[in-house]
Amino acid sequence: QVQLVESGGGVVQPGRSLRLSCVASGFTFSIYAMHWVRQAPGKGLEWVAAISSDETTIDYAESVKGRFTISRDNSLNTLYLQMSSLTPEDTAVYYCAKQSGLGIAIAGPGAWGQGTLVTVSS
Amino acid sequence: DVVMTQSPLALPVTLGQPASISCTSSQSLVYSDGNTYLNWFQQRPGQSPRRLIYKVSDRDSGVPDRISGSGSGTDFTLKISRVEAEDVGIYYCMQGTHWPPTFGQGTRVEIK
Repeated sequence: QVQLVESGGGVVQPGRSLRLSCVASGFTFSIYAMHWVRQAPGKGLEWVAAISSDETTIDYAESVKGRFTISRDNSLNTLYLQMSSLTPEDTAVYYCAKQSGLGIAIAGPGAWGQGTLVTVSS
Repeated sequence: DVVMTQSPLALPVTLGQPASISCTSSQSLVYSDGNTYLNWFQQRPGQSPRRLIYKVSDRDSGVPDRISGSGSGTDFTLKISRVEAEDVGIYYCMQGTHWPPTFGQGTRVEIK
């Protein structure tokens, strides 16, 4: 079955950078778009970024645009999120999620990983 | 962005009794292909979200049939016919019709 395992979270100072990874298994990673979704402590879910299977379509939430970069390596079945200029408002559990169907524009995320916690604090 | 509004935000229920959560979207969620991309997710305490329902009423594998989804256009409902202890958690609706995907605020289901 679908498995998504995130890593790379931790405590980081404001203004610094961090890279998250998500290793996928149990499905053909290279044909599915992928998402990052985050959840601040005690809060709801916020879509962060998405990337198409072939990396031709990439989009970000306004709150992270210009600071975060989503990428993927289909040969390694791995999704990445490079985060820079981090602020305390970026503190959250970050989940990677597989697109529900083929394509990127509709249906949204379906299966999710267990998440990795990013804490931005001095 | 499409705004998803859930009610109630907290739902105390008695074991064995029914529960119902409403989700309203700020725009119709009917896509040009005729489908309505409205999902429901369950997040149990300490766990990641798990999709229960997709396209309004289709249950994911392993979801008990006492959980059902319904609705159309802008108004949707998740129903649990008989609440069990394992149903405790936060439930989110999410639309995937319009870009970007957006979530409701979440409804916390707890046992009375």
